[in-house]
Amino acid sequence: EVQLVESGGGVVQPGESLTLSCAASGFTFTTYWMGWVRQAPEKGLEWVANINHDGSEQYYVDSVRGRFTISRDNTRSSLYLQMNSLRAEDTALYYCARRDASGADAGYWGQGTLVTVSS
Amino acid sequence: DVVLTQSPLSLPVTVGQPASISCRSSQSLVFSDGNTYLNWFQQRPGQSPRRLIYKVSNRDSGVPDRFSGSGSATDFTLKISRVEAEDVGVYYCMQGTHWPKTFGQGTKVEIK
Repeated sequence: EVQLVESGGGVVQPGESLTLSCAASGFTFTTYWMGWVRQAPEKGLEWVANINHDGSEQYYVDSVRGRFTISRDNTRSSLYLQMNSLRAEDTALYYCARRDASGADAGYWGQGTLVTVSS
Repeated sequence: DVVLTQSPLSLPVTVGQPASISCRSSQSLVFSDGNTYLNWFQQRPGQSPRRLIYKVSNRDSGVPDRFSGSGSATDFTLKISRVEAEDVGVYYCMQGTHWPKTFGQGTKVEIK
């Protein structure tokens, strides 16, 4: 059974940093592209970042480029999101999601981890 | 960025009746490999999103066959043939053809 379990969320002040983790199990992690999607409170979904199988390619939405870094450790079947210079508008539930082998995105989601940026 | 416009944004339906959600894209979603990466998701209250349909019309495993997707290029539709009480939630279309990947605003389905 595919499982994605996010962790690392919390309450931080503007300008601070946080690293999110996503532990994957139930599939061959190294085979799949992975991504982070966020959802601000009572709002819609926003795709934040993507990473390819071996971590050599990363893609970011403009609002986080230069502040967030997506990475992966295939030996640990884990995905990460390093978030620096956090802003109030980064407050959201952050989900990790897995792409299918067919190329279709987000066939599997985690339960999310909540990041709150507030002074 | 590709803008996906869903309509309606709110959809009150009677159990047993059909429902339809439209998703229009500001650009063609046909990728260079010939695939159209348009997905549909359901998000029930308090839950993570769940994919229902991928690449326009392919139903995910375990998704009831009352859900169907159709469309091409810039115009897509999610249909529920007979709405059940468990279908309450917010439905999103999402395109994975162009970066950044984008979602529609969401359509809230509720029971009358």
